[in-house]
Amino acid sequence: NAGVTQTPKFQVLKTGQSMTLQCAQDMNHEYMSWYRQDPGMGLRLIHYSVGAGITDQGEVPNGYNVSRSTTEDFPLRLLSAAPSQTSVYFCASRLLGQGATGELFFGEGSRLTVL
Amino acid sequence: GNSVTQMEGPVTLSEEAFLTINCTYTATGYPSLFWYVQYPGEGLQLLLKATKADDKGSNKGFEATYRKETTSFHLEKGSVQVSDSAVYFCALSSPSGTYKYIFGTGTRLKVLA
Repeated sequence: NAGVTQTPKFQVLKTGQSMTLQCAQDMNHEYMSWYRQDPGMGLRLIHYSVGAGITDQGEVPNGYNVSRSTTEDFPLRLLSAAPSQTSVYFCASRLLGQGATGELFFGEGSRLTVL
Repeated sequence: GNSVTQMEGPVTLSEEAFLTINCTYTATGYPSLFWYVQYPGEGLQLLLKATKADDKGSNKGFEATYRKETTSFHLEKGSVQVSDSAVYFCALSSPSGTYKYIFGTGTRLKVLA
């Protein structure tokens, strides 16, 4: 009963370092997305994908890269980490098409600190 | 553009008190509306939803009615429990097919025994 799995759960980076947050889902969801959660700002969409090979930008895409080579995986890459990217990151997925309820399924989050 | 505004917290209630968390939205067309709940150390999970005007979503004693005339989707529960302590997020999904969800800033609820 895995659902949406994110790794790592915690990470500390130095400014300028790069890293990848991993997200995998086993529900055969076409749609996957990344959000960041900051105090007083709720969740803001970074990037999303509606299928393998298809990605698009959300509200706050700068400094982040994504790719979608398989239905299951949607990694988020930080190319050169900045302190402003200190946040909690959530991956979420959902079914599309007929019968879909619109419900987003979330991972448990990845807490990133950039020093 | 689309937006969601929900009341700021934290909200502190005694057990068995009545809960209302206000949520209003701005959107073109007819969005779907959601309430998500986030328990400490966990991701968000769907609490309830409504997809059209006058729909009432309900789950675990919580209710919310999609009011198009007031562009609101207030969350209510008649008698809260300590286990309801969490952060509650109101959200909408754009009806335009762009698959973008807009979340409110979240309201922290603390229920005291």
